[in-house]
This record gives sequence, C-alpha cells and structure tokens, in this order.
Amino acid sequence: DQQVKQNSPSLSVQEGRISILNCDYTNSMFDYFLWYKKYPAEGPTFLISISSIKDKNEDGRFTVFLNKSAKHLSLHIVPSQPGDSAVYFCAASAVVSAGGTSYGKLTFGQGTILTVHP
Amino acid sequence: NAGVTQTPKFRVLKTGQSMTLLCAQDMNHEYMYWYRQDPGMGLRLIHYSVGEGTTAKGEVPDGYNVSRLKKQNFLLGLESAAPSQTSVYFCASDFRNSGRIGGQFFGPGTRLTVL
Repeated sequence: DQQVKQNSPSLSVQEGRISILNCDYTNSMFDYFLWYKKYPAEGPTFLISISSIKDKNEDGRFTVFLNKSAKHLSLHIVPSQPGDSAVYFCAASAVVSAGGTSYGKLTFGQGTILTVHP
Repeated sequence: NAGVTQTPKFRVLKTGQSMTLLCAQDMNHEYMYWYRQDPGMGLRLIHYSVGEGTTAKGEVPDGYNVSRLKKQNFLLGLESAAPSQTSVYFCASDFRNSGRIGGQFFGPGTRLTVL
C-alpha cells in the first residue's frame, strides 16, 4: 500500500506562471515532509522540507504547504522557469527503530514530471 | 568534494550473474542508504547502514546483500541477478539522520539491466 502518493504523473506550465505540485499521504506518524528535484541521469537533490507542526515553509521561489487534516502537501514554484523542468518527488519521514538503532525512513511518492515552457 | 559517487554508471547482466555496486562518499556521513527506483514508483529502500560495520534491511531487501567495511563506502551485492532486479539504483548518505529534515545526499545512480 502506497503511503505517499503523487497522483499527477506530469504537469505542464508556461514560464513565469505558478507551478503547483501535489502530494497525499496516509500515515499519521510522518513528522517531516520533503521535496526533491531530479534531472535526467542525476540523483535526486533536496529542495525544501517542512515539519509537521508547521503549515508553510518558504525558500525563495519555492513554498511548501502542509494541510495535516487533509493529509496533503503541495509545492508552489513562483515564477516557474524553464530550468525548473525536472521530476519532483515528495517524501515523508518517520523515525523507525529496528535492532537497537533508529533512523529517519523516507517514503517517496512516484514523482511528477514538470515541464516549464518558454 | 565529490559528494556521493557510484560505480558503475551502467551495467547489463545475464540472469544468474553476480555483481557489486560501489557507493563512496567524502562527507564523513555516518548513515548510508541504497534505494531502487522503478517506473511509476518512488524510490524504495533496499538496505541501510548507521555506521561502519553495521547494516540493516529496508523495505525491499530480498536478493541483495550489503557491506560497510569502511565508513566512506557502502557496497550493494547481487549474488544471482534476476530480471526483476532491473532498475536504477541510488545510493544516499546523511549525517546522523539529518537527511530526514534537510535531505539525504544522493549519488547519480547506476542503471542495471538483467536479461
């Protein structure tokens, strides 16, 4: 069962407009949410995160919104630029303990391909 | 700093062959991870390590083994490759779980095809 879902496989936006990428989750134990950006033939790179006790976090053109009651988060990119064209993954983190150790497990969504047209 | 590097970048195997994927990081990170990414799915954790000499299973560990003999290296082994292991493999690292807040650092990936 997929605990983190990105229901839109792709999104196409005009340069200068807003891009809104969406993500839904089911596990109430997630306490941090992250967005990653991935270009072809490269690994994902961290973009922005938000704690579950916040509802908004902003970093330049990127803003993440969290609606805990709806178990929904979104990434807004304003204004969108052609260089933003990439695959965007949302991820959710929860601490997992196993065998005497603990780590922050990341659960990823399927990704959304964003294309920003000049 | 090179960050996280992976060797090889591409590989084609026949069913039943074995191979080892190498991940190296120069950031002195304690934690290291191996993920696989398949079409239409997010990254799934195979194995992880919280320090030199320690490894543990992730979500999809079957068919893989790992070793962390040195802090900077994390090896992923396939003893008898199967077509279901055709995937893109990513290694990642972070400093004592900092990745769950500030993001893990990922390598560029290894594209593996098993015929």
